[in-house]
Amino acid sequence: DTGVSQDPRHKITKRGQNVTFRCDPISEHNRLYWYRQTLGQGPEFLTYFQNEAQLEKSRLLSDRFSAERPKGSFSTLEIQRTEQGDSAMYLCASSTTGRSYEQYFGPGTRLTVT
Amino acid sequence: GQSLEQPSEVTAVEGAIVQINCTYQTSGFYGLSWYQQHDGGAPTFLSYNALDGLEETGRFSSFLSRSDSYGYLLLQELQMKDSASYFCAVRDNGQAGTALIFGKGTTLSVSS
Repeated sequence: DTGVSQDPRHKITKRGQNVTFRCDPISEHNRLYWYRQTLGQGPEFLTYFQNEAQLEKSRLLSDRFSAERPKGSFSTLEIQRTEQGDSAMYLCASSTTGRSYEQYFGPGTRLTVT
Repeated sequence: GQSLEQPSEVTAVEGAIVQINCTYQTSGFYGLSWYQQHDGGAPTFLSYNALDGLEETGRFSSFLSRSDSYGYLLLQELQMKDSASYFCAVRDNGQAGTALIFGKGTTLSVSS
């Protein structure tokens, strides 16, 4: 297995633009998570999927953020009308159902909003 | 809600033993995990405690006391490559108790 992959690794965008990130989880993992991490902080939970179903979203997640996992495999995270405060590392992780405490993280997408 | 407290920085020398503490407040508890993250890298899973006691995995051990809402990560025979950030995390008590809530992390610096 090649592990969790994310694309792109870096994204620079201007404020107000929309961006979309992709995550490919470990193939046998049916749970997929999105986190956001800023410098000096731990990863902050955004949302997660069980197969194609989005089961939980952070109450702090703005309506500008949306995520999909249409076929229960890869997932996309879209941020609309980006703001400078959205600048962060966006991490994707995956796990099996029975071991959700053991999550495998991808390398992340670093977003810079100018 | 949940909150986790851990020291922001710890320093040690090669070969030493270091303990990183974590206290937590949760409305529901599903276990305490530990993750390691090197600069520029992704978090990687180290250990998990659901029940009280010590779990040992090579040079790393993790301890949990549910009555004290406390756990620690013990790193023995420190090596330079252990310099990294270490996060404790609890599982969220949302719909499925699945999402991880992370502490702010402890930066460990190992010197020779």
